[in-house]
Amino acid sequence: RKEVEQDPGPFNVPEGATVAFNCTYSNSASQSFFWYRQDCRKEPKLLMSVYSSGNEDGRFTAQLNRASQYISLLIRDSKLSDSATYLCVVNKRGYGGSQGNLIFGKGTKLSVKP
Amino acid sequence: NAGVTQTPKFRILKIGQSMTLQCAQDMNHNYMYWYRQDPGMGLKLIYYSVGAGITDKGEVPNGYNVSRSTTEDFPLRLELAAPSQTSVYFCASRPPRGRDEKLFFGSGTQLSVL
Repeated sequence: RKEVEQDPGPFNVPEGATVAFNCTYSNSASQSFFWYRQDCRKEPKLLMSVYSSGNEDGRFTAQLNRASQYISLLIRDSKLSDSATYLCVVNKRGYGGSQGNLIFGKGTKLSVKP
Repeated sequence: NAGVTQTPKFRILKIGQSMTLQCAQDMNHNYMYWYRQDPGMGLKLIYYSVGAGITDKGEVPNGYNVSRSTTEDFPLRLELAAPSQTSVYFCASRPPRGRDEKLFFGSGTQLSVL
């Protein structure tokens, strides 16, 4: 099983659609989870952290299921500006410094069309 | 506030040439990282540093070297460039503590080895 695995995509959706991205991780000791957004040819930027109880930021909702080692990102009322690649990121404790290192998924490309 | 500054933005090398990718941050972050991103792939960790004078290998260190003589700077050295090192390179930094382990990325270096 890959350390961090995401839906391959691409997702092509119309404006206003709701779209969900899924991600699974293999290291049950992972403690921190994130969604990053990466625009074409740009650096990744943190979209939101994912907390155990689930969390929401405007149109974006993140969920974590530790038992299934599964993370999701839901985007409601999608906008043209949401078009980007969404990277699932998981902390790998004990690797990359005392606080661990962030392992990146390959990303899922989203294209929102008018 | 400059954040993380990477230079150069683009570079073409011939096989066997050497070069140094520069990375500097002005946020007094202890942790610094070098990632590479191949087309359609996630970011892979090359080297990281938890502070001045301390560096360690990541997932794909072969063919690269780093140094960390100051908190601000974390250069990446390619000694004998190979076509397999054609990639986009991202430098990142983060503070040592905090629940939100947010990475601050530089804008990337597109490197082609021909």
